[in-house]
Amino acid sequence: DAEITQSPRHKITETGRQVTLACHQTWNHNNMFWYRQDLGHGLRLIHYSYGVQDTNKGEVSDGYSVSRSNTEDLPLTLESAASSQTSVYFCASSEVSGGASTDTQYFGPGTRLTVL
Amino acid sequence: GQQVMQIPQYQHVQEGEDFTTYCNSSTTLSNIQWYKQRPGGHPVFLIQLVKSGEVKKQKRLTFQFGEAKKNSSLHITATQTTDVGTYFCAQRDYGQNFVFGPGTRLSVLP
Repeated sequence: DAEITQSPRHKITETGRQVTLACHQTWNHNNMFWYRQDLGHGLRLIHYSYGVQDTNKGEVSDGYSVSRSNTEDLPLTLESAASSQTSVYFCASSEVSGGASTDTQYFGPGTRLTVL
Repeated sequence: GQQVMQIPQYQHVQEGEDFTTYCNSSTTLSNIQWYKQRPGGHPVFLIQLVKSGEVKKQKRLTFQFGEAKKNSSLHITATQTTDVGTYFCAQRDYGQNFVFGPGTRLSVLP
């Protein structure tokens, strides 16, 4: 069965360190997204990609970067982790087919990141 | 940017009572989606509404899109403990992305 996975599921790191969160999907979806979830803010978009070699900034992109070298993976990198980046991170994918968007986003299980 | 408002932020109900959450936008929406996130889990897609005044049902859940396409509601009839979680609405922005509301957290007391 197709799925979307994230690793690690939990990560504790120190301020200033570089951290990379992995996201892998086997849906063969073109669109992939990274969100962070904090109490009272819902899901906020960090970066997104509509296909290989395509990346775009979302609402809260400062301090984060992504790369898309293949369809399946969209790793999220925190260049220099800050305590404000302590959060739960969700990766999602979706497909747009033909002229009618299906739009459904399939979310991964999430990564809980703590920056000390 | 686009903002999505949801009310209430929290709702505690006794099992068997009904529950409704509302999603409001300042702009006319092309469509709207609803997601459910169980405690400790990830958001799961429930439904998408596209047409003005559209009403869709999934068992005890009724979803409605306003006539002006600026608001939506999710109504659960006779809540059960399995309904516990946070319900998010999401509206489409100008691209292929969705902007999520802050969610309504539902607690169901047995």
